[in-house]
Amino acid sequence: AQTVTQSQPEMSVQEAETVTLSCTYDTSENNYYLFWYKQPPSRQMILVIRQEAYKQQNATENRFSVNFQKAAKSFSLKISDSQLGDTAMYFCAYIADSNYQLIWGAGTKLIIKP
Amino acid sequence: EAGVTQFPSHSVIEKGQTVTLRCDPISGHDNLYWYRRVMGKEIKFLLHFVKESKQDESGMPNNRFLAERTGGTYSTLKVQPAELEDSGVYFCASTLAGLSEQFFGPGTRLTVL
Repeated sequence: AQTVTQSQPEMSVQEAETVTLSCTYDTSENNYYLFWYKQPPSRQMILVIRQEAYKQQNATENRFSVNFQKAAKSFSLKISDSQLGDTAMYFCAYIADSNYQLIWGAGTKLIIKP
Repeated sequence: EAGVTQFPSHSVIEKGQTVTLRCDPISGHDNLYWYRRVMGKEIKFLLHFVKESKQDESGMPNNRFLAERTGGTYSTLKVQPAELEDSGVYFCASTLAGLSEQFFGPGTRLTVL
């Protein structure tokens, strides 16, 4: 079965600190994609970063980067120089090319304190 | 360009009533998805349209849920009759191609009393 696990229900850090959110997944597929989505309190889900499983290089988007460990089935998100606007629920998600439904983790509530 | 829109933003109904949720995808997006997050649980896939056809409806919980996408544009999700366990946030997403980024609407919060 395809599953996504986020083991940190809630995290809190000071503004400007670096924070890492963890995500592990289980799959027998060879071709798949991994995503981190962010849902701020206003509720609109926004894509933060995306990683293709066939790419060895870790994806980066400005202050956001991932540590993709394919053999360990791990996909953590690092947020550098955290900002108040980063406060949100963060969801790790997976999609395989055998079906196009996103499989979601339970989410991590991230609070950035001033 | 307008994003994915959903209507209503909130709906409060009594058990046994009917509710219809609507999703307008981004123009030109053939793929439309419905997801649901029940309080305290993971977001779960409900179904996937490609244009007007149901590509995958394996996540639909039971036959009280009916989704349509007439003409391949907007989609509706009807719950009839609603039960208490149907309460949650219903998200719609659309995308150009199957594995592309899915763009989400703001969700509809459904409360069944």
